[in-house]
Amino acid sequence: EVQLVQSGAEVKKPGESLKISCKGSGYSFTSYWIGWVRQMPGKGLEWMGIIYPSDSDTRYSPSFQGQVTISADKSISTAYLQWSSLKASDTAMYYCARGSGYLGYWGQGTLVTVSS
Amino acid sequence: EIVLTQSPGTLSLSPGERATLSCRASQSVTSSNLAWYQQKPGQAPRLLIYGASSRATGIPDRFSGSGSGTDFTLTISRLEPEDFAVYYCQQYGSSPRTFGQGTKVEIK
Repeated sequence: EVQLVQSGAEVKKPGESLKISCKGSGYSFTSYWIGWVRQMPGKGLEWMGIIYPSDSDTRYSPSFQGQVTISADKSISTAYLQWSSLKASDTAMYYCARGSGYLGYWGQGTLVTVSS
Repeated sequence: EIVLTQSPGTLSLSPGERATLSCRASQSVTSSNLAWYQQKPGQAPRLLIYGASSRATGIPDRFSGSGSGTDFTLTISRLEPEDFAVYYCQQYGSSPRTFGQGTKVEIK
């Protein structure tokens, strides 16, 4: 069974750094792209970017380029989304999902709250 | 960047009725690379349709997708109680991938 399990909810202060994770299992992790999707409170879905774990080829939406970093460690079948300096506007649910096109499998989401 | 506009914003229907959701793209979506997702409160989105008209694994046949170019439709032939949710379209024919703003299907 394909599963993507994300790390737990985080509460951070503005300016802090953060790295959240997404661990894949039940399939060949290096054979599929992993994407990240943001959902701000009460809002819709926003495609952030994708990574191919086999060679770490990464593509970003222009809206998120320079704002976040997507990475992966294929040795432990885990993808990451990180911020170097959080803002209050980063408060959202973040989902990882499998695929470079349509997203067939989704993680359960990681809620990130940034508040002073 | 392709902008997807979904209509209506909210659809108020009764169980058993037919739901027709629209997704219009600002430019042609390559090779009908359009997907539909369902999201219920507190849950991750679930893939319903890909390639504009192919049902994902395990999706009931009351869900169907159609369209090409810039106009796409998701139809739910007879609404079941569990179908009341928010639906999103997504294009993956060009980068960056983009989502529509969503249509909420609510119980009338």
